[in-house]
Amino acid sequence: DAGVIQSPRHEVTEMGQEVTLRCKPISGHDYLFWYRQTMMRGLELLIYFNNNVPIDDSGMPEDRFSAKMPNASFSTLKIQPSEPRDSAVYFCASSASGSGNTIYFGEGSWLTVV
Amino acid sequence: GIQVEQSPPDLILQEGANSTLRCNFSDSVNNLQWFHQNPWGQLINLFYIPSGTKQNGRLSATTVATERYSLLYISSSQTTDSGVYFCAVPSPRAYGGSQGNLIFGKGTKLSVKP
Repeated sequence: DAGVIQSPRHEVTEMGQEVTLRCKPISGHDYLFWYRQTMMRGLELLIYFNNNVPIDDSGMPEDRFSAKMPNASFSTLKIQPSEPRDSAVYFCASSASGSGNTIYFGEGSWLTVV
Repeated sequence: GIQVEQSPPDLILQEGANSTLRCNFSDSVNNLQWFHQNPWGQLINLFYIPSGTKQNGRLSATTVATERYSLLYISSSQTTDSGVYFCAVPSPRAYGGSQGNLIFGKGTKLSVKP
């Protein structure tokens, strides 16, 4: 399998613009996670899905952030409007249910908002 | 919530040396995972280790769940071991098979010099 695939790898955008990050999980995985990594806060979970249904979005920082998973092979994380404090690395990850199944991360989307 | 503390925060080794990284957690957990983030940002799962000891090549991990700590051993370190090592435990909000709903420590940054 190709692993978790994220796009874009790098994005620089101006404050106020809409940003859409994309993720394709590993085929057969029923959990999908969006994490954010910053120097100040480290790695933190934003939202996760099970079988395409959002289960816990309590980590989403504010209404400017939204995530969707229209099918088992695709998810988006959208920021509208973007702000400089949103600059971070956004990771998508997936896992299969059952104990002992580990989580696999994509390579991350490096977002800079200027 | 659960606190995850890692030590030391930074570690510099000469190639060939051994090291031990520690992860303490504040509450009972049913699993613990160790990750390596390489200098390019990629997060790789090293061990899924709720208890006991596992070994993978030069790396091994031990979790003593009753005493709420885990250790990661790196023997005969190589420059490719450089990066940040994270431990992570399930969030109290995780349910069922959502082993990927994790709380991460702040990491140990390892630099191996040739």
